Amino acid sequence: DGGITQSPKYLFRKEGQNVTLSCEQNLNHDAMYWYRQDPGQGLRLIYYSQIVNDFQKGDIAEGYSVSREKKESFPLTVTSAQKNPTAFYLCASSIVAGETDTQYFGPGTRLTVL
Amino acid sequence: GENVEQHPSTLSVQEGDSAVIKCTYSDSASNYFPWYKQELGKRPQLIIDIRSNVGEKKDQRIAVTLNKTAKHFSLHITETQPEDSAVYFCAAPPASGAGSYQLTFGKGTKLSVIP
Repeated sequence: DGGITQSPKYLFRKEGQNVTLSCEQNLNHDAMYWYRQDPGQGLRLIYYSQIVNDFQKGDIAEGYSVSREKKESFPLTVTSAQKNPTAFYLCASSIVAGETDTQYFGPGTRLTVL
Repeated sequence: GENVEQHPSTLSVQEGDSAVIKCTYSDSASNYFPWYKQELGKRPQLIIDIRSNVGEKKDQRIAVTLNKTAKHFSLHITETQPEDSAVYFCAAPPASGAGSYQLTFGKGTKLSVIP
């Protein structure tokens, strides 16, 4: 999991602004994921991508957007349409080998809306 | 989709005692069940996982058991130590097919080990 980095560690945003969270991995993993974590809610899937130039919505995709132009990178944009964006955001990656495989997490970005 | 329920939400044990956390899942085709440990402000880290072709797996003080018939799996920590204090999450995937690389997580169990 040391091969997954997220930046910034802390991010403050004013209401109405879009912000982009960075996620990079050097593990040569095919799949990447974005989760949102709120207190008492566990981890909820926002978007995931199995291969470059392809991604799928998760359970709570509204107000978020992603891109996957490179295998190593999967940035998440939190748009102004996201009503309650303050949360801890975690990126993860995994090998795609024809079955569910271990997901490894980045250190997270804590987003606060002022 | 998959539905994962985790109990208890909080658990306090005396140092040296055992701790058990249980998760139930809804999709009978699920075949992979990981457990993650998350310390405060840190990333979740995999501590043990089990696939549906075995019923139990151990790694030192940690074990996971799987009951496919009842659709539940449990984390067992023996001889607990203060450094075991953390939030533990279970997870399970949906049925095979599109999106099978996803995991649905339980809401977590906050374990406190009292010295």
